[in-house]
Amino acid sequence: EIVMTQSPATLSVSPGERATLSCRASQSVSSNVAWYQQKPGQAPRLLIYGASTRATGIPARFSGSGSGTEFTLTISSLQSEDFAVYYCQQYNNWPYTFGQGTKLEIK
Amino acid sequence: QVHLVQSGAEVKKPGASVKVSCKASGYTFNGYYMHWVRQAPGQGLEWMGWINPNSGGTNYAQKFQGRVTMTRDTSISTAYMELSRLISDDTALYYCARPATGQWQVLDYWGQGTLVTVSS
Repeated sequence: EIVMTQSPATLSVSPGERATLSCRASQSVSSNVAWYQQKPGQAPRLLIYGASTRATGIPARFSGSGSGTEFTLTISSLQSEDFAVYYCQQYNNWPYTFGQGTKLEIK
Repeated sequence: QVHLVQSGAEVKKPGASVKVSCKASGYTFNGYYMHWVRQAPGQGLEWMGWINPNSGGTNYAQKFQGRVTMTRDTSISTAYMELSRLISDDTALYYCARPATGQWQVLDYWGQGTLVTVSS
């Protein structure tokens, strides 16, 4: 089973600043990585798939990059609604697996 | 628009089984796999498996093999996930989720979740 490791566990950033979240796979997953956002009491929301393609309706301030084992989610200018938990997910090998999450909090 | 509506919360004793339903609307039910993901309280996401509503074919994560059964009733556009021999660690929010169009392994639409509590 592929292990997805996210860092940091918690990231404190001020509104308007840039946030960079990392995700590392235990083996190559090509570009088969998605990112999700989850707010308290809500289901996850798909942000990015194919490592860098924004899902429908996702603002351009969200961008993804990487391939192989190293992936990054960048939020270019944080809005108040962006403070949440973010998960990466690989879908290159079954079982599909998620990272443990990065909590993005207001500094 | 796409909606996935799940059944209500359940409280079960250890050793029992639970069956969660997920009623789909707003799209062709047979046209998309249905996935199940769970989330223990305060924890991350765990993929359980999927069902192909068209054929009934399933694929389960090895961790759940032998304990999970995913079925569907196409006449009412509903998917089911049954988990047996429950233990306290199965206490979690269980989600059904539908993939994005053209991207069958990424989940674009989610149910509201069903809380299953396992307690003696």
